[in-house]
Amino acid sequence: SQQGEEDPQALSIQEGENATMNCSYKTSINNLQWYRQNSGRGLVHLILIRSNEREKHSGRLRVTLDTSKKSSSLLITASRAADTASYFCATVSDTGRRALTFGSGTRLQVQP
Amino acid sequence: GAVVSQHPSWVICKSGTSVKIECRSLDFQATTMFWYRQFPKQSLMLMATSNEGSKATYEQGVEKDKFLINHASLTLSTLTVTSAHPEDSSFYICSAQLGAQETQYFGPGTRLLVL
Repeated sequence: SQQGEEDPQALSIQEGENATMNCSYKTSINNLQWYRQNSGRGLVHLILIRSNEREKHSGRLRVTLDTSKKSSSLLITASRAADTASYFCATVSDTGRRALTFGSGTRLQVQP
Repeated sequence: GAVVSQHPSWVICKSGTSVKIECRSLDFQATTMFWYRQFPKQSLMLMATSNEGSKATYEQGVEKDKFLINHASLTLSTLTVTSAHPEDSSFYICSAQLGAQETQYFGPGTRLLVL
């Protein structure tokens, strides 16, 4: 079943602005991952943050994790039109089960 | 990075026919493969987990007799949608995982349209 929610469901910004997406989940996790999906295509892995980490950076991406609130955020700085896509968080539980449970996704539109 | 392919990329079939989708890990051996389904404007839902040489583990609500999964080798898993119906029309995506590594590598997906 779907793990949790992402908000906003949709986000439209201008090129150069920052985009922040939030993800909430329901169960204890081993790690949380963020993926990007261009329309009708497969998923691209962006970043993984483990349950004992609070913040992680990768290029223009910054991810935070608050396990006490069961939430994570993805910040994309200095957005580009090419960042237009759907973004999903996905969790791996701490039960040993390795399947990903995806959030509902945020559709990001970056206007040139 | 690791590459996963899917074939076909899209398929249109008549109601009642069976459709086979292949998922291949091209440059690594995948001990575990996962099959997901994604309806339009929705998230990915896990259908089943497939380990090489053993029976797939299906998620609740996914009919194992309708969605046949075979993982006969470390580089190939197949999903067969048997007696497909229009409600099976969806985007089917596989992913592959190497050993105990955390990252899953996703295929490009297969779009199925059942008329």
